[in-house]
Parts: sequence; structure tokens; C-alpha cells
Amino acid sequence: DARVTQTPRHKVTEMGQEVTMRCQPILGHNTVFWYRQTMMQGLELLAYFRNRAPLDDSGMPKDRFSAEMPDATLATLKIQPSEPRDSAVYFCASGLEANTEAFFGQGTRLTVV
Amino acid sequence: AQSVTQPDIHITVSEGASLELRCNYSYGATPYLFWYVQSPGQGLQLLLKYFSGDTLVQGIKGFEAEFKRSQSSFNLRKPSVHWSDAAEYFCALLARDSNYQLIWGAGTKLIIKP
Repeated sequence: DARVTQTPRHKVTEMGQEVTMRCQPILGHNTVFWYRQTMMQGLELLAYFRNRAPLDDSGMPKDRFSAEMPDATLATLKIQPSEPRDSAVYFCASGLEANTEAFFGQGTRLTVV
Repeated sequence: AQSVTQPDIHITVSEGASLELRCNYSYGATPYLFWYVQSPGQGLQLLLKYFSGDTLVQGIKGFEAEFKRSQSSFNLRKPSVHWSDAAEYFCALLARDSNYQLIWGAGTKLIIKP
């Protein structure tokens, strides 16, 4: 059963610490999305990759957030330094370009104290 | 401008009653449309999608949606809801002329009364 895998599922960290979230897209998918979900803002697109190249990261605060795809099987989202306002659930999703329904991971619930 | 509007933030229905969740879109071409469901603490799961063809689309869990171009709508329906349908429902549009980005509605939270 192919699925998007995100690690860790939960992360509690102190303000100022670096946080790295990982995502393994479904094998063969060439599109990867990072979303942030909060009660106040709902679903926000942070970054969007196709064939490992970033297509859009305009939704991501550039001073502290970075997203990469070191290879086709791994996407990372890094926050350095983390702040309490970064507390949210971060979702990764993957898809195929031609049939572009997005398949979501279970999310990483981040709490910054 | 491309947008998706879900006018209802919350909807409460009784178990066994019928359900309709509204979704309106704004898009210059024929849209690709999706409905996703998010159960508490879970990721989003695709319920159904419309790309072309028959405007009445069947999905999983007994859901269906009807694409109405004249009304720019893609409403989700279910004839009889179950308590397990309590979740948040998101409508989304695929912007094929904007790098295939997904444009999301704000979501509708479905509450089921016993």
C-alpha cells in the first residue's frame, strides 16, 4: 500500500532550536508539496517541488525556513531557528504531474515552546 | 482570479440525514476539482475528483459530487451520513496554468448529531 511517510509524527522543541521534518513521497511521484495547517490560517502551501526542483516557495518565510529534495525519495523541511508561532501541523503530499491528485502524509505536529 | 469558496464553516446534520457541502470556484478554464476529507489528527484523504466527462462523480465512502459549470459549483453529497463521517472537508481546484498548484477552500467542518 503506497503512502507518503512523514517523520517525526510529533516534535516538541524549544524556541531557537533547529527542526528538521522529513518526507518520503510515494515511489514514482515527481511532485512534492509542503503544507502548514493551523486553526487560524488553515492550509498554507509552503513549498512545491517538481522533479526535485523548487517551483514555488513563495509561501515560506525565507529567513528561517528551507526546503530541499536531496534525492527523489526524500524531501526535507527545516526551520532554524524555530519560534513558537511555527507551532502547527506540517503536511507533505506527493503526486504525479499528469494525474495530479495529491496524496498526503499523516503530518508532523510541531510544538515550539 | 483563481479561488475556491466553501461558504459553510460548520454544518451539523443528524445521523442518517442527507448531506450537501457547498463548493464554488473561480477559474478561467475547465477546472480539475477535488474533495478531500480530514479526520481529526489525520492527513487529508481524497474522496473524489472531477477532470472531465460525466459531471456526477462517485467517490469513496458513499460520497458523490456534481460539477455544474453554469453555477461554478462542485457540491459534495451523501444520502445518509454516519457518525464516522464527522470530519473536515476540503474542496480544491488544480490550477493547470499556474504550475499545477492546488487552490484550496477553507474547509467545512461536519458535525454529526446522534
